[in-house]
Formats: sequence, C-alpha cells, structure tokens
Amino acid sequence: DAKTTQPTSMDCAEGRAANLPCNHSTISGNEYVYWYRQIHSQGPQYIIHGLKNNETNEMASLIITEDRKSSTLILPHATLRDTAVYYCIVRVHGSSNTGKLIFGQGTTLQVKP
Amino acid sequence: EAGVTQFPSHSVIEKGQTVTLRCDPISGHDNLYWYRRVMGKEIKFLLHFVKESKQDESGMPNNRFLAERTGGTYSTLKVQPAELEDSGVYFCASSRGILAGGYNEQFFGPGTRLTVL
Repeated sequence: DAKTTQPTSMDCAEGRAANLPCNHSTISGNEYVYWYRQIHSQGPQYIIHGLKNNETNEMASLIITEDRKSSTLILPHATLRDTAVYYCIVRVHGSSNTGKLIFGQGTTLQVKP
Repeated sequence: EAGVTQFPSHSVIEKGQTVTLRCDPISGHDNLYWYRRVMGKEIKFLLHFVKESKQDESGMPNNRFLAERTGGTYSTLKVQPAELEDSGVYFCASSRGILAGGYNEQFFGPGTRLTVL
C-alpha cells in the first residue's frame, strides 16, 4: 500500500470549513483513498473513501486531484466535536486484500471556538 | 444496532502475568480485526479473522500473543506472559463480508487500555 504524508497538526475556527490535505504521490491505479478519524478515547471512525472522483457524504467531502497524487478532506462546518486525529489511508480493494488498515501519524485537528 | 464492544475497558497487570481481552463484533460481521497503539506510536494492525479462520496474522508481534475466534462470533486476545512493552490500547474492529472488488467500512470498538507494570 502506498504511503501517505499529512501535516502533523492544524487549527480551524468553529463553524468554518476544515480542509485537511494528504499527499500520496506513489498511489497506484487500483488504490483507494480512505479517511478515518479518532476522537479522543474512542476507536477510529470511518469518514469517507474514493478512487478518483470527488465524493460527498453526510460527514465530509473528499476532493482527489486529477493525477490522484493528493487529496483533501473537507469538513464544511467544523464543530468542537470534530476535534480529532484524522488519518488518510491508501489501500487496494479486492479479494486479495485482507482489509487491514495501515495508519500513519495522522493530522491532529483542533477546532477552536 | 449495537456497536463493537470490548472488555475490559482498562486492565492493569504486572509483568509476567496473563491478560485476556475480549471483543464482541457487530452481529453478522464476518470480519474481525485487532489493532493496537503503543505509547507514542501509530495504530498497528495485529490480525484479521474471517469468521473463525485467521486470514492474516502478519502483525502479531510474537508468540506471547494468541488470538482466537471460536464459532466465528466473539474473539479473545491473550497475552502471556505480558511484558512492559505490551502496554497500550488494543482496538477491535469488525466489518461485513468483503465482496470481490468492494469494501466494507470497519467499525471500531472503544479499545482496551492495557498497562503492564
């Protein structure tokens, strides 16, 4: 699975959009981009995933560049409860993959009032 | 629907003792994963069950760790004997069956915090 690079930490004002970048310059054509987050003292939580098209769900939007070498997770209206460590993970789909997730250091997002 | 549950939430033991962690996945989830985070490190994959079979145990650190999933329902992770470096948070996750070419999100439990003194 390709490696990812994320900033160590970011701040965001409550109510504003939080844009979390991720670099994955060695991504392969069959690798998807996933985002999970871990709120303090809880287990990681799935947010969203995508291959090459932009994706949106009730939690966030995922913007993947055309060359797929980077992506941005967008929380449109951050709240204090969005303070967490956000993980960008790249992995393949398919029966040959066991489904394990490889976590990096992630980005610690601090949402401030 | 109930989420993934783990027991105990905290465990404090002395070096050399044995500890058994339990994970109850979401009902109907064939896939069960164990991960752990030791102090200051990233969350690391330990192993993956599909029903009662071990699909991937490449992340198990050594033979002091034994995972079981009898009957394909709940799973236990035993550490025997425990060492200081085993301290950390152990997470369990479950997901539905992985369809060919597809993906099902993993639902994580709250974790068990293990402290070895």
